[in-house]
Amino acid sequence: DMKVTQMPRYLIKRMGENVLLECGQDMSHETMYWYRQDPGLGLQLIYISYDVDSNSEGDIPKGYRVSRKKREHFSLILDSAKTNQTSVYFCASSLSGREVFFGKGTRLTVV
Amino acid sequence: QQQVRQSPQSLTVWEGETAILNCSYEDSTFDYFPWYWQFPRESPALLIAIRPVSNKKEDGRFTIFFNKREKKLSLHITDSQPGDSATYFCAASGVGYKLTFGTGTSLLVDP
Repeated sequence: DMKVTQMPRYLIKRMGENVLLECGQDMSHETMYWYRQDPGLGLQLIYISYDVDSNSEGDIPKGYRVSRKKREHFSLILDSAKTNQTSVYFCASSLSGREVFFGKGTRLTVV
Repeated sequence: QQQVRQSPQSLTVWEGETAILNCSYEDSTFDYFPWYWQFPRESPALLIAIRPVSNKKEDGRFTIFFNKREKKLSLHITDSQPGDSATYFCAASGVGYKLTFGTGTSLLVDP
């Protein structure tokens, strides 16, 4: 069963705290993504990773960084979280950039 | 600048009618156009996709019509069912596998 797993599903953090969102996939996909989704804005690409230690900025990378040390694992890090980073974060993976499989999302609230 | 635009923002049709969702794009290097649907509190899932070598792609009640010259495409949902009520995202990708999403059309099918 092909799966993208995100942890945690819900998270509340205080402004200025560091945040780690984790994502795993069991499909050996080379390409992985982090998106955020806000009402009325659709899904915005934060970072894309083409394989281990091969990461590229998406459309809204400011305030975020990523880490990919294993093909099946891709992390999103928020150093000193801000209230405007409250959002739903989706991790996704694909083989050769075609069908993209999404995880269930992490709902992050920064207070 | 929004690379992928969708209209209308929301649409209501009666059960059995045909729903038409529109999409346009800016980047002529895009070569893959998937549509995703998303139900409330769930993650986006691939519905149907087309490449510019074709001007039409059918899958059951769902059909994509593609006009490369005008950089426009549309998703037609025939015999709409209440279970089709969801948010539909048009997306596009090209070199580099970066998948760019539109802001979505919220479809409601009234029984």
